[in-house]
This record gives sequence, structure tokens and C-alpha cells, in this order.
Amino acid sequence: EDQVTQSPEALRLQEGESSSLNCSYTVSGLRGLFWYRQDPGKGPEFLFTLYSAGEEKEKERLKATLTKKESFLHITAPKPEDSATYLCAVQVEDQGAQKLVFGQGTRLTINP
Amino acid sequence: KAGVTQTPRYLIKTRGQQVTLSCSPISGHRSVSWYQQTPGQGLQFLFEYFSETQRNKGNFPGRFSGRQFSNSRSEMNVSTLELGDSALYLCASSLGTLNIQYFGAGTRLSVL
Repeated sequence: EDQVTQSPEALRLQEGESSSLNCSYTVSGLRGLFWYRQDPGKGPEFLFTLYSAGEEKEKERLKATLTKKESFLHITAPKPEDSATYLCAVQVEDQGAQKLVFGQGTRLTINP
Repeated sequence: KAGVTQTPRYLIKTRGQQVTLSCSPISGHRSVSWYQQTPGQGLQFLFEYFSETQRNKGNFPGRFSGRQFSNSRSEMNVSTLELGDSALYLCASSLGTLNIQYFGAGTRLSVL
């Protein structure tokens, strides 16, 4: 069964305190790994997609990396506006169609 | 470019009723996927439509159904509502299957 596990469930940091979020997965037919950010009352906002082990993507204070079994979202010198739930999803191909399998998310709070 | 639009944003229904949710994808996108988000289960895949055909379906009962029109707009229907159907229903569109999915703000359904 396709499974995605994110850790930690929640993380509190002080402004400027760097850290990493983890996403481990067990899937068959992996086509890509996605990171989304979700603010309260809103839909997930696309951040990154990674397709092969060793790939890295950066955007402002965020950097996503991918290995064969897990992905990390590194947050460098975060600001309060980075507070959100970060969702990891793997894109799985099933008989020519797609679906995203999501982890439970990491709720990140950045204190000023 | 307009994003994914979901209507209505909020709905309150009673057990046993049925409900129809609407999704207008990003212009040019032909694939529409639906997800259910609850605090306990997280984001779960419902189904994907591409060119008016259902391509993939998640593990939900037959009370959950959908369709896609020739202009790529999609509707999701839930019949005989149960209390457990209370959730945020999210629609995502992509250019085609296996492309990046962009989410709408969701429809918050409350079943009383």
C-alpha cells in the first residue's frame, strides 16, 4: 500500500532558527514528489516538485531535497510568515492515471 | 491567469441530503482531481477526470460521484450524506495527467 509519513507533526521555532522537515515514503510507481504549503482556510499552494534522487530545488528560505526513500524540506532563517502546514505528496501512476498520496503534514509555527 | 475556483465555499446540509460541489479549473487545464481533507485522515484522493472521463478513483463509497464537462469544469456529488462526510473538499487541476496539480480554496461541507 502506498504510504507517506511526515515528521514531526508539529514544530515550533524562533525566528531565524533553521530546521528541517522530513517526508518518508513507500510507494510503487512513483512519478514525482511534491511539497505544498497550506494556510488555514485555504487550499494547498504548490512549492516544489522533485523527480529523481539527488535532485534539489530552492525558493527563498526553502530548499527541498530527495533521496530514494525520503525528502527533506530545509527552512533557513525562517520568518513568522513561514508559519503554515507543509504537506508532502507523492505522485503515483495507476494504469495511466494519476493520484497524489499525501502525508499528514507538519504544522510549522515561527515565533517572532 | 485565474486560479482554480470552487463554489460554494461553505455548505451546511443535514444527514440524508445530497450535495453538488463545483470546480472551474485553470484555463487550459484538462485534468481535474478531487480530494477530501479531514483532521483525522488528512488529504485523501477521491477521483480524477480527464477529457470528461474518470481516469482513477480512490477508496470511497459509491455515494461519491463526479463528472466533467466539455469545458473541463467538474462537479462532485455526494448522495445520502452522513455525519462523517463533513470535510473540506478540494479540487485540483493540471495540464494533463501526471502534471503539477494546483488546488482551489476548497468547499467546507458541514453535515448536521
